[in-house]
Amino acid sequence: SQELEQSPQSLIVQEGKNLTINCTSSKTLYGLYWYKQKYGEGLIFLMMLQKGGEEKSHEKITAKLDEKKQQSSLHITASQPSHAGIYLCGAETSGSRLTFGEGTQLTVNP
Amino acid sequence: KAGVTQTPRYLIKTRGQQVTLSCSPISGHRSVSWYQQTPGQGLQFLFEYFSETQRNKGNFPGRFSGRQFSNSRSEMNVSTLELGDSALYLCASRPTSGVVEYFGPGTRLLVL
Repeated sequence: SQELEQSPQSLIVQEGKNLTINCTSSKTLYGLYWYKQKYGEGLIFLMMLQKGGEEKSHEKITAKLDEKKQQSSLHITASQPSHAGIYLCGAETSGSRLTFGEGTQLTVNP
Repeated sequence: KAGVTQTPRYLIKTRGQQVTLSCSPISGHRSVSWYQQTPGQGLQFLFEYFSETQRNKGNFPGRFSGRQFSNSRSEMNVSTLELGDSALYLCASRPTSGVVEYFGPGTRLLVL
């Protein structure tokens, strides 16, 4: 089965700093999905990447997909306290459903 | 459109009891999936229902069951609760031709 490894597991940054979260797959990536979760709440869909080299942005969050490395990175520019939460990557598996990584806990200190 | 709704939001049960959780998907979505999220195991897939039929199933014991109604609303049942069943249970729906899942706020279950 496909496994997704996220790094780092947790991250504490000062407001205004840039940061990157990585998601590496054990198998070929056909579609990579990024979600954000506030503690104890549901997941909010951020963006979907489907082609190698694809890059998408949503406000100050940019995600890229590197097919050859079977990896996706999520980059936040000028972080704000509102960016705090758990970021999860998900990948398509057989049956067109998603399997998820363990998540990266982001804390942004004001 | 209204998002995915789940009821109840919080639940406290004791070992041995059973519990039923409810999920209403986004209007027009026929696929409903259930996930269990715990600090140690992360987000784990329980099962998916489509048009009242279970389409996929994760690796959970038979104590976990579900069903879907003709209006696409879904329920999940856990019988003979164990302490380890304490978790956030998330429901997600997606359109017939899509892969992106849209999640509800979850039901936090505490088993004492």
